[in-house]
Amino acid sequence: DIQMTQSPSSLSASVGDRVTITCRASQDIRNDLGWYQQKPGKAPKRLIYAASSLPGEVPSRFSGSWSGTEFTLTISSLQPEDFATYYCLQHNTFPPTFGQGTKVEIK
Amino acid sequence: QVTLKESGPVLVKPTETLTLTCTVSGFSLSSTWFGVSWIRQPPGRALEWLAHISSIDERSYSTSLKSRLTISKDTSKSQVVLTMTNMDPMDTATYYCARVRLDYRDWFDIWGQGTLVTVSS
Repeated sequence: DIQMTQSPSSLSASVGDRVTITCRASQDIRNDLGWYQQKPGKAPKRLIYAASSLPGEVPSRFSGSWSGTEFTLTISSLQPEDFATYYCLQHNTFPPTFGQGTKVEIK
Repeated sequence: QVTLKESGPVLVKPTETLTLTCTVSGFSLSSTWFGVSWIRQPPGRALEWLAHISSIDERSYSTSLKSRLTISKDTSKSQVVLTMTNMDPMDTATYYCARVRLDYRDWFDIWGQGTLVTVSS
């Protein structure tokens, strides 16, 4: 199975901060990666697909990028509603595998 | 509007078989572009993918749980069913179904609300 190493596992940030979360794949997955946001007690919500594609309903402060096997989710200016846990998912090869999550907390 | 909704027992006993149903609306399970996966999340822990079924009935399973899982679908009822045998307290989790949109390589664009299953005697 492909391993997705997500970092950091948690971070504290303030409203307005720029936040970066990284996932590293154990092998080449092209850009077959999605990012998801999950708030407590709720189902995850897809933020980014194909590593950098932003659906119309997702705010433009979210962006995704990648280089090789390293993938990055960036929140350009953290908003109060962005405090949540974020997961990456690779779907290049079965079985799809998630990162372990990054909890973004209020500083 | 696209929706998925999970249903099934809230409580199962150890060694029993769990059967969960995902009822979808707003898209067709027979469409070339859509598949459905099951994902679970134990309390306080990360997401874990379990199984997937494609529009042409191709099935894939978690490496570690393959022997216990079966996924199937009834296109006429717009339902995807997951069975998991020999349930254990470690299988206590919220179980989600989610759509895969192949034309955009957009996995899990829509999720169900999830259903919490507790395994206890």
